[in-house]
Amino acid sequence: GESVGLHLPTLSVQEGDNSIINCAYSNSASDYFIWYKQESGKGPQFIIDIRSNMDKRQGQRVTVLLNKTVKHLSLQIAATQPGDSAVYFCAETPFGATNKLIFGTGTLLAVQP
Amino acid sequence: DTGVSQDPRHKITKRGQNVTFRCDPISEHNRLYWYRQTLGQGPEFLTYFQNEAQLEKSRLLSDRFSAERPKGSFSTLEIQRTEQGDSAMYLCASSLASGNTEAFFGQGTRLTVV
Repeated sequence: GESVGLHLPTLSVQEGDNSIINCAYSNSASDYFIWYKQESGKGPQFIIDIRSNMDKRQGQRVTVLLNKTVKHLSLQIAATQPGDSAVYFCAETPFGATNKLIFGTGTLLAVQP
Repeated sequence: DTGVSQDPRHKITKRGQNVTFRCDPISEHNRLYWYRQTLGQGPEFLTYFQNEAQLEKSRLLSDRFSAERPKGSFSTLEIQRTEQGDSAMYLCASSLASGNTEAFFGQGTRLTVV
């Protein structure tokens, strides 16, 4: 029911620490992956993407790692800040699906000052 | 503001009423998507347009739901005879049409059916 969905996996970190958020994706044919950040009452905000021909991509303070063997995606946030507190979703696009995104279960990141 | 714009931000309606939401995508984006998100869940795909053509619809999109993008610019999503189970956040996203590129989301329309 909906009450189960409210119990998001939660990662609690101290300000300044590094955060690692993990995601298992479902379709071995997926060839494009995105991490989104969603703050309460707002739409998802693009963070970083990676294509299946890569295993690592870096942005500003964020790194995405892709392990196709075990269908695992991770988001690393360096020097986590209070403004990073949000729900993080990974999303995949199956090959040929023209950008239709399939979202995983979100993770709530709580940054303690 | 050159992002994806949705209107209204919030809508409260009585069960059985019809509602219509509007989405204005980023101007140069050919692709437009509608998603639905319930509390604690990730967004779920509803439908997708490339220009004015509706190319895919999810099985989640019952006969009571219809989406249009008549001129290939803004889009509307209408829900007829609303039910309490329709209560959710309705999100619109847009992207360029060249291969897989990031989709940018609007702030969503929060629908509450009472």
